[in-house]
Amino acid sequence: GAVVSQHPSWVICKSGTSVKIECRSLDFQATTMFWYRQFPKQSLMLMATSNEGSKATYEQGVEKDKFLINHASLTLSTLTVTSAHPEDSSFYICSASRQGSSPLHFGNGTRLTVT
Amino acid sequence: QQPVQSPQAVILREGEDAVINCSSSKALYSVHWYRQKHGEAPVFLMILLKGGEQKGHEKISASFNEKKQQSSLYLTASQLSYSGTYFCGTERGSGTYKYIFGTGTRLKVLA
Repeated sequence: GAVVSQHPSWVICKSGTSVKIECRSLDFQATTMFWYRQFPKQSLMLMATSNEGSKATYEQGVEKDKFLINHASLTLSTLTVTSAHPEDSSFYICSASRQGSSPLHFGNGTRLTVT
Repeated sequence: QQPVQSPQAVILREGEDAVINCSSSKALYSVHWYRQKHGEAPVFLMILLKGGEQKGHEKISASFNEKKQQSSLYLTASQLSYSGTYFCGTERGSGTYKYIFGTGTRLKVLA
């Protein structure tokens, strides 16, 4: 099956620093990748849709200047949390699909803790 | 708008059955079902595309109603491994393709 690699698996950083999370599709080309944020015992909330070669589309309420998304190639999308604060602590997870109406393939997620 | 799932949580004994519902105020293009275990990524279970469709494998099946506004996931003779949080997911179009998840249902199967 399709494999999506996400790293790091976890990161602890200090307030004010930036953290970059990478999401790679290892065996297929993903023109679209999705970034989600999940708080404990809650659903996955879509943050943005990342399209190769173009600007990401952010969901309402998600600060684009804080959560920088870059989709530089058909196999790599990155999410950078800039000037992180404790309230940014969460589980971030990326996903990709081969094409519309195909199942999503998820990375294993990144647990971010901001101290 | 996020699809609403019911119940929010359910506890079962091994061997019991459960039904999880996913409802939307608008017709869905498709509905996908996923199971997520704590601290892990969601795992795909199945996808339904057509109104009136039913499909399943082993003891897990799902249906999609004719109006494509509701889907149900059926778990029969539940096993301990079925424990986790179940999400329905759907695509949204209108200009930008995106994928959103339902509110989730936490299922715990006890021995």
